[in-house]
Order: sequence, then structure tokens, then C-alpha cells
Amino acid sequence: DAGVIQSPRHEVTEMGQEVTLRCKPISGHDYLFWYRQTMMRGLELLIYFNNNVPIDDSGMPEDRFSAKMPNASFSTLKIQPSEPRDSAVYFCASKRGQGPYNEQFFGPGTRLTVL
Amino acid sequence: AQSVTQLDSHVSVSEGTPVLLRCNYSSSYSPSLFWYVQHPNKGLQLLLKYTSAATLVKGINGFEAEFKKSETSFHLTKPSAHMSDAAEYFCVVSDLSGGYNKLIFGAGTRLAVHP
Repeated sequence: DAGVIQSPRHEVTEMGQEVTLRCKPISGHDYLFWYRQTMMRGLELLIYFNNNVPIDDSGMPEDRFSAKMPNASFSTLKIQPSEPRDSAVYFCASKRGQGPYNEQFFGPGTRLTVL
Repeated sequence: AQSVTQLDSHVSVSEGTPVLLRCNYSSSYSPSLFWYVQHPNKGLQLLLKYTSAATLVKGINGFEAEFKKSETSFHLTKPSAHMSDAAEYFCVVSDLSGGYNKLIFGAGTRLAVHP
């Protein structure tokens, strides 16, 4: 299994531009999560999906952020327009089934820099 | 509300000496606890998880953790540090209110291993 795949690994853009981050979860996993990691705030959950349906988006910072999961093997996180404070590492994770001990598998992350 | 507190932001040890990374948790319920490791520029990898089956949990790469309810602690240990253990370690609790789907991360402990 290739694990969770994220692209791009690095993204540098200018303020005001649209940014799209992509994630392919592990095959057979029915939960998908988007996290953001910053020095100031640590790791925080942005949104998660179950069977392609958004379940909890309470962590999405503002309307400039949106996430979609059109099918079981693909999800996007979009920022429009981007701002310098969005600079962070964005992780995608997936897991199989609900339960207290089910492991979330993380992708390598996308390092976003907004100039 | 559930939370975890990692008591040390940085820990430095010499190769071959024991490692102790401290974590205290707060939970009204029997918690689901995890330790994840993040190597530089990598995603997060599960080291071990507490499933209530045993208070001493063994993980990968020689790490183990002991769940102590009386002390509300879940400290991570390793008898002998290796250079490859240098990384950031996160103590994590699974949020019951989120159906165990939401992970709450500690602030992280950066482990440095010196020759």
C-alpha cells in the first residue's frame, strides 16, 4: 500500500492567489481528515469526512477555506484567496472505521508558503 | 473536555541512555491515548496506543508507555536512545465527543539525541 498521498509537497504562492491541496487516502478507508500544523497553534483539525460526506468543519478557519471529497479516493482543500498567515504544513490523514483505537494514517504533508 | 499536556517541549539525551517523554491527560472517561512520532519533514507515524487491555503498552522501535490512571499520565519511555530517535513526539487523546474521530494533540516534545 502506498499510504496516504498528498500533492504538491511544497507550494509557494503569492497573497491573493488560489491554492489547491490534494489528497488520496488509503484504499478502503472511509474517514478522511485535514489538519494544519503551525508553530503557534500546533496540530489542529480543520475538517473531516466520512464516506465522502463532510461531518465536522468546525476547525475551518474562515470562508476562504473549503474542502471537497468528490469520491472515496480523492479530496481537495482549497484556499481562496490565500494570505501569509495561511503558511503552514497541511496534513491529510485517513482511517478505516469508527472506534476509539482506530489509527489515523498521515500523509507526508504539503508545506505551504504564502508570500 | 479532554486534553493532553506534554510537560517538556525539548528533551536532550545521549545515545544509549534512557528516554522519558512525559504526558498527562485530562478526561472524564476512560481515554483512548496514542503516541505519534514526526521525523523532520515527514508525516506522523503511530508509535503505540492505549486500548485498556493492558496498562503497559509496547510500540515500535523499542518504545513503550505506561498508563497510570491514579496519576493521569501516559509517559513514553525507551531504555536506550538511538540517533534515529531524534524527532518530535506527540501525545494524543481521541475525543469522545467527536465519536473518537477527532484527535487532540499535545504541543509536542522535541527529542534530541547526542553521540
